Amino acid sequence: ETGVTQSPTHLIKTRGQQVTLRCSSQSGHNTVSWYQQALGQGPQFIFQYYREEENGRGNFPPRFSGLQFPNYSSELNVNALELDDSALYLCASSRSGGLIEAFFGQGTRLTVV
Amino acid sequence: AQRVTQPEKLLSVFKGAPVELKCNYSYSGSPELFWYVQYSRQRLQLLLRHISRESIKGFTADLNKGETSFHLKKPFAQEEDSAMYYCALLYNFNKFYFGSGTKLNVKP
Repeated sequence: ETGVTQSPTHLIKTRGQQVTLRCSSQSGHNTVSWYQQALGQGPQFIFQYYREEENGRGNFPPRFSGLQFPNYSSELNVNALELDDSALYLCASSRSGGLIEAFFGQGTRLTVV
Repeated sequence: AQRVTQPEKLLSVFKGAPVELKCNYSYSGSPELFWYVQYSRQRLQLLLRHISRESIKGFTADLNKGETSFHLKKPFAQEEDSAMYYCALLYNFNKFYFGSGTKLNVKP
C-alpha cells in the first residue's frame, strides 16, 4: 500500500506568480483534502475533492483552486501569490465510509518572496 | 461554527512524569475527535480517535461532552514521546478542524 506523496517538497515563488502543487493519494482512497499550515499554527482546511468534484471549502479566496483526477490524485493551484501564502501545504487522503482516518503527505513548503 | 483550542503551546516534563495535553472543542453537532502527532521530520499521523476508545503508545483520551474536552493523557512520559500534538475535530464528511498544537518536550 503506497502512502500519500506530494511534490515538490520545497518551492520559492515571487509575489504575484502562480503555483501548482501536486498530491498522489493513498491506494484505495477517493477523497483528497488540502490544508495550509502557517508557522506555529495547526493545519487549516482549504478544500476537499471527492470523486473529482469539490466537496467543501474552507475560508480561502477563489485564487485557491484545485482539481482531482480520475486516479484520485489532486492539484492545488494558487494564483496571484501573496507573501502570506508562505506556508506548509498538506495533502490528506481518505476513503469514504467506514472508520474515517486521514493520511497525510509530507507537505510542500512554499515560500513567497 | 466549530472550534478546537489547545491552550498550551509548549509542555515540558521529565521522563517518567505524567502528561496531560489539553484540548477543548466547540461544535453544535455530535463530535468526533482525534489526536494527531508529528514527530521530528515525519509527517502528521493519527495517534488515536475517541470513537475507538483505544490506548496507543500508552496514551489515552476521553471525550467529556459536559466539559467539551478531549484531553490526551499518559501516566509515564518517555523521551520518544517528544513531538507536536494536534487535537482535531472531524466535521462534515472527512474534514478536520485542527487546534494550533502543543509541543511536548520530554526531558531525560
